[in-house]
Amino acid sequence: RKEVEQDPGPFNVPEGATVAFNCTYSNSASQSFFWYRQDCRKEPKLLMSVYSSGNEDGRFTAQLNRASQYISLLIRDSKLSDSATYLCAVPYSGNTPLVFGKGTRLSVIA
Amino acid sequence: SQTIHQWPATLVQPVGSPLSLECTVEGTSNPNLYWYRQAAGRGLQLLFYSVGIGQISSEVPQNLSASRPQDRQFILSSKKLLLSDSGFYLCAMADSYEQYFGPGTRLTVT
Repeated sequence: RKEVEQDPGPFNVPEGATVAFNCTYSNSASQSFFWYRQDCRKEPKLLMSVYSSGNEDGRFTAQLNRASQYISLLIRDSKLSDSATYLCAVPYSGNTPLVFGKGTRLSVIA
Repeated sequence: SQTIHQWPATLVQPVGSPLSLECTVEGTSNPNLYWYRQAAGRGLQLLFYSVGIGQISSEVPQNLSASRPQDRQFILSSKKLLLSDSGFYLCAMADSYEQYFGPGTRLTVT
């Protein structure tokens, strides 16, 4: 069975904090991994793609652990605008379609 | 860059009425196209995907159907809506490894 599991949250953190979310996946053959951000009542937007051990983009870092079959998303120096739901996605097979986790809700508090 | 159009943005329909949601894509050719549904408080559920004109794969048996009459057009339909069909319907496309979502249609069945 193809599954993607995420920490359900919610994570309530103060501005400036570092927060990390984990996502486990069952398809050991997966070669690509994705993090999406979804704001309330909006479509998910691609935040980061991971094709090797990890990826970094500014305050955001994604790390892949193939042995334990999980990927993580680290957000440093959290901003109020980071408040959203973060979805992890892994392909069924090949490159698409994607199986999504149920998301982790983050609230950054002033 | 690719653009995904979905309409209408919101829709209220009575139980038993028909449904037709349209998705069109610009800026790419021969994309993979997907229909997802996100029910309130739940994760993204893949409904249908298509790798080409007239090619539809169904992930979840239900009273919905999909068609792809043109390369960049994907239609989701139902002959008779159920209350359980309420949700946020998202069209997505991929022309490489990455998948992008349209703005979605929020359907309420009353």
